[in-house]
Amino acid sequence: GAVVSQHPSRVICKSGTSVKIECRSLDFQATTMFWYRQFPKQSLMLMATSNEGSKATYEQGVEKDKFLINHASLTLSTLTVTSAHPEDSSFYICSAHAGTGGYEQYFGPGTRLTVT
Amino acid sequence: GQQLNQSPQSMFIQEGEDVSMNCTSSSIFNTWLWYKQDPGEGPVLLIALYKAGELTSNGRLTAQFGITRKDSFLNISASIPSDVGIYFCGYSGGGADGLTFGKGTHLIIQP
Repeated sequence: GAVVSQHPSRVICKSGTSVKIECRSLDFQATTMFWYRQFPKQSLMLMATSNEGSKATYEQGVEKDKFLINHASLTLSTLTVTSAHPEDSSFYICSAHAGTGGYEQYFGPGTRLTVT
Repeated sequence: GQQLNQSPQSMFIQEGEDVSMNCTSSSIFNTWLWYKQDPGEGPVLLIALYKAGELTSNGRLTAQFGITRKDSFLNISASIPSDVGIYFCGYSGGGADGLTFGKGTHLIIQP
């Protein structure tokens, strides 16, 4: 149980274009999903919290107009990187919380974004 | 936000050795979560701790929630090659809160 998938696993895009990343909870309903970013040899940094049916909450320093988050259902959240630039190249990882009372989050396998 | 101090940053050990790593915080926490990340993959939850003094095992892994609520350690006994990876401690203020991670401990097993 507690499986989270992400798609795509890798994406290469040109500077100025937009990229959408999907995060799905496969065997449970996720009341809350989270998006993290991880640069090489660094830890995961929380970008935003996504609640189904409401606006996402962004961490300080994360541009909400650049990183668009949609949580349309209890099993799907999407992150769209708009007008991507090379400095947006990173490993983007989502996680999901089942809302069962514990604090555990289950992570997807990540999406490697390279902006050329 | 809260800051976690995780050590050591990296460990070079021989297969079969025991491993110990820890995390500390200047603030009191209500939970400690330990994750392992393999290269190019998302973190996998190893152990979740919720009570001060709690000692929990998961196979060869054992983690404890410090009595002061400001620290936690993770031990791995009799290490094997598949233990290689980066281990992160994490904290959450609640189920609806994102995780704050330590900087990670990179475990390398030498043949």
